[in-house]
Amino acid sequence: GAGVSQSPSNKVTEKGKDVELRCDPISGHTALYWYRQSLGQGLEFLIYFQGNSAPDKSGLPSDRFSAERTGGSVSTLTIQRTQQEDSAVYLCASRSGQPGTGELFFGEGSRLTVL
Amino acid sequence: DQQVKQNSPSLSVQEGRISILNCDYTNSMFDYFLWYKKYPAEGPTFLISISSIKDKNEDGRFTVFLNKSAKHLSLHIVPSQPGDSAVYFCAASYYGGSQGNLIFGKGTKLSVKP
Repeated sequence: GAGVSQSPSNKVTEKGKDVELRCDPISGHTALYWYRQSLGQGLEFLIYFQGNSAPDKSGLPSDRFSAERTGGSVSTLTIQRTQQEDSAVYLCASRSGQPGTGELFFGEGSRLTVL
Repeated sequence: DQQVKQNSPSLSVQEGRISILNCDYTNSMFDYFLWYKKYPAEGPTFLISISSIKDKNEDGRFTVFLNKSAKHLSLHIVPSQPGDSAVYFCAASYYGGSQGNLIFGKGTKLSVKP
């Protein structure tokens, strides 16, 4: 597709289960970001991938969170042993061009509910 | 430490009037600024941007003003329409910066009343 695609759009899981969220960025975009937005909150940075460089993981809230980007394209965000406070909308975005410039294109988000 | 601040969590404006959304930043290295709009249950969408070499950028009803000395930017929407009701995020960027070279504010929820 032409835009950033995220799946699943909605995920309900039980506390303690692992979840995987997927992001398909716009073809050719070298930068990929994960954010999350909890209810009533702003955009919380999680992780950033740029080309073949080591990712910036500084926003990951705990070691239960991890992400990878295979082949410089698709990315998967994994949350292990989910907790209720992990409930949020997880947003993926991609960008082309030089770092520090240009707009981000966001996906529709994956809404995660941990019961 | 919040490098990009949107101090008003919400703003209510009458249809047809001007909406002014404000954003302050602390890092003088920022050289590119963006505004995003977000509707409920959708991802944010890009609205307008401005480079630090300019002090104004206009696109239809939307104008962004940048005051580098005050480290302040604002988004003006004239005239405001009910469809503009959304959360607006300010973002700032520079090459080599943290968080993927892009820092977001916490957003301002704009309500435009008919």
